[in-house]
This record gives sequence, C-alpha cells and structure tokens, in this order.
Amino acid sequence: QVQLQESGPGLVKPSETLSLTCTVSGSSMSPYYWSWIRQSPGKGLEWIGYIYYTGSTSYNPSLKSRVTISVDTSKNQFSLNLTSVTAADTAVFYCARGAPTSSWSQYFQLWGQGTLVTVSS
Amino acid sequence: DIQMTQSPSSLSASVGDTVTITCRASQRISSYLNWYQQKPGKAPILIYAASSFQSGVPSRFSASGAGTGFTLTISSLQSEDFATYYCQQSYTIPWTFGQGSKVELK
Repeated sequence: QVQLQESGPGLVKPSETLSLTCTVSGSSMSPYYWSWIRQSPGKGLEWIGYIYYTGSTSYNPSLKSRVTISVDTSKNQFSLNLTSVTAADTAVFYCARGAPTSSWSQYFQLWGQGTLVTVSS
Repeated sequence: DIQMTQSPSSLSASVGDTVTITCRASQRISSYLNWYQQKPGKAPILIYAASSFQSGVPSRFSASGAGTGFTLTISSLQSEDFATYYCQQSYTIPWTFGQGSKVELK
C-alpha cells in the first residue's frame, strides 16, 4: 500500500523559510512525478510544483521565485522549501504522487494526509 | 494560467437525487481534465483522470466533456457522496483547480 506522509514545522515566522518533507512508502520514486499542493480558504487548491525522480522540476510561476523542490531517492523522500513566507502562505500542504510517465495525462493519483502550516510571529 | 470555473459552488440534494457539476476552462484543454472528491479534514481523492474513473468509483458517477466544458454527474446520490468536488486541468502548466462544488445534504 502506497503512503505519503508530510512532515515539518507547523508554525513558521514571517520572512522565514517553510520546509517540508514528504516520505513515500510502498512505492519507488521512479517513474513518477511528485508534487506539492497547498490548500487555503482564500485560494483553494494550488499546485506548487513537481519534481521527477531524476531531479527535474517544474514550478508554478506564481511561486517560482520562492520555491525549491528536491528529491532524495535513497530515502524515498522529496522536500519543499518556500522562502520569505507571509501570512498568505498559511495553508494545508499536501504532497502527492502523479501519474507514471507512461500516462498520456498527468494527475494527482495519491495524496498525503496534509499538514497545516501557519505563518505567524 | 488556465482558469477553471465550477458551478454551482454548492448545492443541496437528497439521497437518491441526481446531481450534475459543471467545470469550464478558460481555454481549450482537450480531455486533460481530472476530478477529485474531498471530505472535511481529509485530502482530496482522485476519482477521474485520463478519461477514466479510478478503480472502485461506483458506476453512479459519470463524466463527460472535452475542450472547455466538462460535467460530473452523480446518479442516485448516496450518503458517502456528500463532499466537495474539484476539477483540475493538466493540459498546461501551471496545473490549476476549480474552486470546488460542495454537495450538501438537503
């Protein structure tokens, strides 16, 4: 059974960096896309970016200047760094597994349970 | 960015009713349209992608559309179907979601 589990601080101060890790069990990192998605009352569901198991990435242009996603295939983990956070970044953050690269379409097939990150001093 | 607009934002229905949710894309997205179901406090669950329903999704769910207009229909609504439904396009990056359609018990 494939499981994804987000971990990281639940409280981050304004202007600091939000860092989260997603640990994947029951699945190889290959050959999937691995995404971060956030959900806030004000903006709904927002795709942040993905990383392929090879390390190639794609980010939402609205966040690109502040986002870095990295992968550690030896640990079956991928991580999110979001810099210079403000209260507007308060959200539930989800990690998700995408479709295999053989699929003609991409989608978020499996999700972690989500973790609430609050930005506040 | 491609804007995804769902309607209605919420609806009230009874067990046994048929409900239809519409999702419109701001530009053509072919068939690159996915649907998710989310219950309170839980992560979204993929129910429809790559023009097919996921394994285990009851046959009372149906989907149609291509281009800019899409629908998700739930026939004979069951108690477990009360949830919020989101459409999402994967035609072009950034992948974007609709704002959600909440199906509530009347």
